[in-house]
Amino acid sequence: QVQLVQSGAEVKKPGASVRVSCKASGYTFPSYGVTWVRQAAGQGLEWMGWISAYSGNTDYAQKLQGRVTMTVDTYTRTAYMELRSLRSDDTAIYYCARDHPHSVYYFDYWGQGTLVTVSP
Amino acid sequence: EIVLTQSPATLSLSPGERATLSCRASQSVGNYVAWYQHKRGQPPRLLFYDASNRATGIPARFSGSGFGTDFTLTISSLEPEDFAVYYCQHRGNWPPLTFGGGTKVEIK
Repeated sequence: QVQLVQSGAEVKKPGASVRVSCKASGYTFPSYGVTWVRQAAGQGLEWMGWISAYSGNTDYAQKLQGRVTMTVDTYTRTAYMELRSLRSDDTAIYYCARDHPHSVYYFDYWGQGTLVTVSP
Repeated sequence: EIVLTQSPATLSLSPGERATLSCRASQSVGNYVAWYQHKRGQPPRLLFYDASNRATGIPARFSGSGFGTDFTLTISSLEPEDFAVYYCQHRGNWPPLTFGGGTKVEIK
């Protein structure tokens, strides 16, 4: 069965970087894109960006351009999201999600979420 | 940038009642809208894509409809497990996707 398993919770200081991983299983990894979405406490869902697991092409949300990098390792079937220059408002649960077979930018399987806390 | 506005922000209903959730786009988006259910401590769950195509495993009491700027998610008879936050999502050209602000369906 399809599974996306994310790395564990992180606590970081302002200005630091964090890298969250998302290991996929149960499907042909290069055939589907992976998106990253975050949710701050009490807030809605925020799209961060998308990466093709086939080509490595990316689309990033404009507000995160320059601070976020998404990559994939097809040998380990793992997607990564790195966020730099962390601020307190980056504290959130971060999710990876797989493209729906019907089309990109709909998401049918999600990781369990990774809590990233940014605190002095 | 397309903005999705969901209403109401909160819907207070009892089990067995009908829930009608609205998602309005700032400009026409065709049928490129999805709906997700999100419960605390869990990842979002896809309910519908392309406005009305039910995702795998979604019960028939859920239905999605709409085209252009107005979209609706209907739950015909609320079950206890349906109390959650619901988000609509648009997919487009740029930005590739946006989420609405969510509607919380709570027990009255």
